[in-house]
Amino acid sequence: ETGVTQTPRHLVMGMTNKKSLKCEQHLGHNAMYWYKQSAKKPLELMFVYSLEERVENNSVPSRFSPECPNSSHLFLHLHTLQPEDSALYLCASSQEGPQMPLQFFGPGTRLTVL
Amino acid sequence: SQQGEEDPQALSIQEGENATMNCSYKTSINNLQWYRQNSGRGLVHLILIRSNEREKHSGRLRVTLDTSKKSSSLLITASRAADTASYFCATAGQFGSSNTGKLIFGQGTTLQVKP
Repeated sequence: ETGVTQTPRHLVMGMTNKKSLKCEQHLGHNAMYWYKQSAKKPLELMFVYSLEERVENNSVPSRFSPECPNSSHLFLHLHTLQPEDSALYLCASSQEGPQMPLQFFGPGTRLTVL
Repeated sequence: SQQGEEDPQALSIQEGENATMNCSYKTSINNLQWYRQNSGRGLVHLILIRSNEREKHSGRLRVTLDTSKKSSSLLITASRAADTASYFCATAGQFGSSNTGKLIFGQGTTLQVKP
C-alpha cells in the first residue's frame, strides 16, 4: 500500500465511450502525475500537476483530458479512444522541493479499448 | 533518445544467487532511482542515489553510481522467488526552472527468480 489509490482497476471501453480514471493520494503531496505503460515500452509521462496547476503536457492527444480539482485528486477523462490507447495507466504523487523527490505510484488502471 | 536504459532486458536466476542489473543514461542528473514493478501493478520505489554518492545499500540491495560513465547498477543479493518482478531505473531532472521533478524511466529488466 503506497498511499495512492486508483479506480477502476480494470476498464473496458468502446471507441465511442467516455470514461474517467480517478486517482487519490493520502500522502499530503503537492504534485501528481499520469503515466502510460504500454507493452515493451518505457513508462511515458503524460501529465504533471504541481500545486494543482498543469506543469507538463507531454504532447498527449486531446482525447485524454486531465483534471486536478485539488492536491489530493487527479482525474483522466477519456473520450473517443483508439485501440492503441490500451495500456496500464499509472498515477503517481510526490512532494516537490529543491531535491528531486521520490514518486509514489498507485496500482494502475488496466484499460482495454475495443 | 531514452534516458535510463537497463541491461539486460531479461534475467533468470536460481533462488539464492545474486542478480545484477545495469542502467545507462545520457544527460546530467540530480539523482537516479530504482523502482520495482510486480506484474501489472504499480511501481514501488526501492532506492535513490544522489549524483554525489557512489554507493548505497538498503537491505539486500546495493546500488552503485558512476557519473563519469553515466551508469548505475543494482545488485540484489541472495535472491528470493518473491524478488521476481521488473526493475526500472529512473533519472531525475527538472522542468525548466520549476522544481517539479521529472522522472525518465528506462524499459526495465525483467527478473525471474526460480525456486
